[in-house]
Amino acid sequence: DTEVTQTPKHLVMGMTNKKSLKCEQHMGHRAMYWYKQKAKKPPELMFVYSYEKLSINESVPSRFSPECPNSSLLNLHLHALQPEDSALYLCASSQVDLGFSNQPQHFGDGTRLSIL
Amino acid sequence: AQTVTQSQPEMSVQEAETVTLSCTYDTSESNYYLFWYKQPPSRQMILVIRQEAYKQQNATENRFSVNFQKAAKSFSLKISDSQLGDTAMYFCAFMKQPSGTYKYIFGTGTRLKVLA
Repeated sequence: DTEVTQTPKHLVMGMTNKKSLKCEQHMGHRAMYWYKQKAKKPPELMFVYSYEKLSINESVPSRFSPECPNSSLLNLHLHALQPEDSALYLCASSQVDLGFSNQPQHFGDGTRLSIL
Repeated sequence: AQTVTQSQPEMSVQEAETVTLSCTYDTSESNYYLFWYKQPPSRQMILVIRQEAYKQQNATENRFSVNFQKAAKSFSLKISDSQLGDTAMYFCAFMKQPSGTYKYIFGTGTRLKVLA
């Protein structure tokens, strides 16, 4: 059983739609991450939240808008996406202990997003 | 810039045999962390093993062990007594100790198939 829960598991949306991806963890982790993974490629880091504050934004287009409403939840709001944004979106969490670089990340199953 | 290279896109091994997956990286940093993650087909990514760059001793975790050669910037994963459940994509990952821009970089992955 995954300790990081992502919903929905699959999402199909048009380029004009607005949707949100959700991620939840109850392990007490204070760092949460969004990754984008294309087929047969490694995950690419998008955003990192540390103590509910955005720490890292890897130059992601503004059509992706992250939100961390509390220490257990992480959202990714989507608007006006392009077909090339179709991918598996992975959420992960980790402890923050003297920084989070040395902490293993716990991944969710991902949301498979298809843009029509 | 940091890079992580996995030169073996695909590998196969007979059940109960030993296999070694290679990973090399390029960095000018002295403090960093290295990870191997496993992503089974259609399943979540999970941590296999972690190595701190300041530790000379190679990390081991049951059937999994690493050969960390800091001077050569090499971080290979050895899987002993391979099992069918080891079939997965394996990603090597580099994480930099926070002293500036945070980086968490995955290699391109090695697809391992364990044969019965």
